[in-house]
Amino acid sequence: QKEVEQDPGPLSVPEGAIVSLNCTYSNSAFQYFMWYRQYSRKGPELLMYTYSSGNKEDGRFTAQVDKSSKYISLFIRDSQPSDSATYLCAMSATQGGSEKLVFGKGTKLTVNP
Amino acid sequence: DTAVSQTPKYLVTQMGNDKSIKCEQNLGHDTMYWYKQDSKKFLKIMFSYNNKELIINETVPNRFSPKSPDKAHLNLHINSLELGDSAVYFCASSLRQYGYTFGSGTRLTVV
Repeated sequence: QKEVEQDPGPLSVPEGAIVSLNCTYSNSAFQYFMWYRQYSRKGPELLMYTYSSGNKEDGRFTAQVDKSSKYISLFIRDSQPSDSATYLCAMSATQGGSEKLVFGKGTKLTVNP
Repeated sequence: DTAVSQTPKYLVTQMGNDKSIKCEQNLGHDTMYWYKQDSKKFLKIMFSYNNKELIINETVPNRFSPKSPDKAHLNLHINSLELGDSAVYFCASSLRQYGYTFGSGTRLTVV
């Protein structure tokens, strides 16, 4: 079983839709949970960051973590064409005194005008 | 100002050649990383350096050798390039556990 599982999609939604992206993980040592957004031919950029179970909201984005189920989600409200990108979940654990970030495979999202 | 910059952006080279990719960060972060993103877009860590000291070295062929002359730089040297090395290589930096900042990537094509 991979450490982090993420459905690669692709996911196509109309503008204004609510988008739900999800990841599951198997390593209980993961302490920090992140969502990155990667536009085509660009580097990943940090979108949301959390370390505790529960919800964290930032504008149209809500990150949800359920440590008991080893499940994290990202919700995008009122999705826009500019949200079209690949979304990667990432989780980190400490290894050898340094933080090791493990990524999901990414979900490609297209928001159609 | 670019926070994490990599050069070159594109690199096309023949099998068997040796090449280097440079990375610099101006964020004052203490840890730097090299990630490889394959054709299926999967990002996998290769190396991690903390204050010039190698911390993480995943299962990467010996042909790949990272070098960190100081906290702000982490270069990647690749010997005897193979077709399978074709990928996008990302440099990143972080300050403790506060998320990573990635460079824009170096697209390596081995022909």
